[in-house]
Amino acid sequence: GAVVSQHPSRVICKSGTSVKIECRSLDFQATTMFWYRQFPKQSLMLMATSNEGSKATYEQGVEKDKFLINHASLTLSTLTVTSAHPEDSSFYICSASGGTSGGTDTQYFGPGTRLTVL
Amino acid sequence: EDQVTQSPEALRLQEGESSSLNCSYTVSGLRGLFWYRQDPGKGPEFLFTLYSAGEEKEKERLKATLTKKESFLHITAPKPEDSATYLCAGLNNNDMRFGAGTRLTVKP
Repeated sequence: GAVVSQHPSRVICKSGTSVKIECRSLDFQATTMFWYRQFPKQSLMLMATSNEGSKATYEQGVEKDKFLINHASLTLSTLTVTSAHPEDSSFYICSASGGTSGGTDTQYFGPGTRLTVL
Repeated sequence: EDQVTQSPEALRLQEGESSSLNCSYTVSGLRGLFWYRQDPGKGPEFLFTLYSAGEEKEKERLKATLTKKESFLHITAPKPEDSATYLCAGLNNNDMRFGAGTRLTVKP
């Protein structure tokens, strides 16, 4: 139980285009979803937290107009990187909490999306 | 400021050589201490949640323990497939704060 999927796993895009990443909780209803960014050999940096039907809460320094988050249902959240630039290239990982197997506070992570902006 | 510090940064073991990874935390109002395993290019995989000092949890060759200031992940007789980065994270009322991880390599 507590499986989270992400799509796509890899995306390469041109500078100036927008990219949408989907995060789904497959076998539980996620009360909260999280979006992280990870640079090589570094730990996860929380970008934003979202609850279903509410506006996302962004961490300090994260541009909400650049990283649009929509949490339309208890099983789906999307992150749209708008007008992507090479410095946005990174590994983006979502997580979801609300599953019962490890406790409702436990975050279960998706497999990640590798974004490369040319 | 809330902080989670992991040591060592990297650890190389021979197969069968037991060891421990450390996670020190200063997280006000800690609600839970989490351990994850992350393989290269993948998302973290949940291992354990510890909620109170003195608590221990085990899974195969791994055992996690918690005190008031730190947590240990003990690895008994590791195998090459245990090679990964191990992350710990502290949860307070607001968010989960991750350590930088320990990169474990187990040589056959």
